[in-house]
Amino acid sequence: GENVEQHPSTLSVQEGDSAVIKCTYSDSASNYFPWYKQELGKRPQLIIDIRSNVGEKKDQRIAVTLNKTAKHFSLHITETQPEDSAVYFCAASKGNQFYFGTGTSLTVIP
Amino acid sequence: DTGVSQNPRHKITKRGQNVTFRCDPISEHNRLYWYRQTLGQGPEFLTYFQNEAQLEKSRLLSDRFSAERPKGSFSTLEIQRTEQGDSAMYLCASSLSQGAGELFFGEGSRLTVL
Repeated sequence: GENVEQHPSTLSVQEGDSAVIKCTYSDSASNYFPWYKQELGKRPQLIIDIRSNVGEKKDQRIAVTLNKTAKHFSLHITETQPEDSAVYFCAASKGNQFYFGTGTSLTVIP
Repeated sequence: DTGVSQNPRHKITKRGQNVTFRCDPISEHNRLYWYRQTLGQGPEFLTYFQNEAQLEKSRLLSDRFSAERPKGSFSTLEIQRTEQGDSAMYLCASSLSQGAGELFFGEGSRLTVL
């Protein structure tokens, strides 16, 4: 099956700085890579996703890059704000199952 | 509210008891997933349904776990003879079936086994 690894497990940044979270996957057949944000006690919510036919996608302060050859993808958050503090999960899917990384706890220090 | 709903939100039980969780997906979604999440970990896949058919089960789903989706709408996850190691958040998610698409999660059912 698929194996998704995520780094770092914790990340602290100053407000206004950028944050980068990286994931690798093992199954080259995976073709959909979503990122979820989970605030304390809340449900995971999709913040951005990318499909294997695209190398980069951007949505305001959030961007995701995908390197299919190296089988890794990354989440980039620019101009971080305190409300970005949460746990972020990457995932990989090839249509049915979704395999999640272990999460990155992001703290944005005001 | 047209999102995914789960109940109960919290369940405390004694070891050896049976518990059942219910998930109501978004009405037009025909895929339904159950995940387990423990502190500091990502959601772990348990099982998934397409309509009423249970298409995949993780090896994490021991014989004590059973899930059903009898009419292709709501789903139940039952855990028999609970163990302390079953303590976790049980998340339900639903999606449309065209290829890989967004999972919509419920708020989860937190199980504590004493």
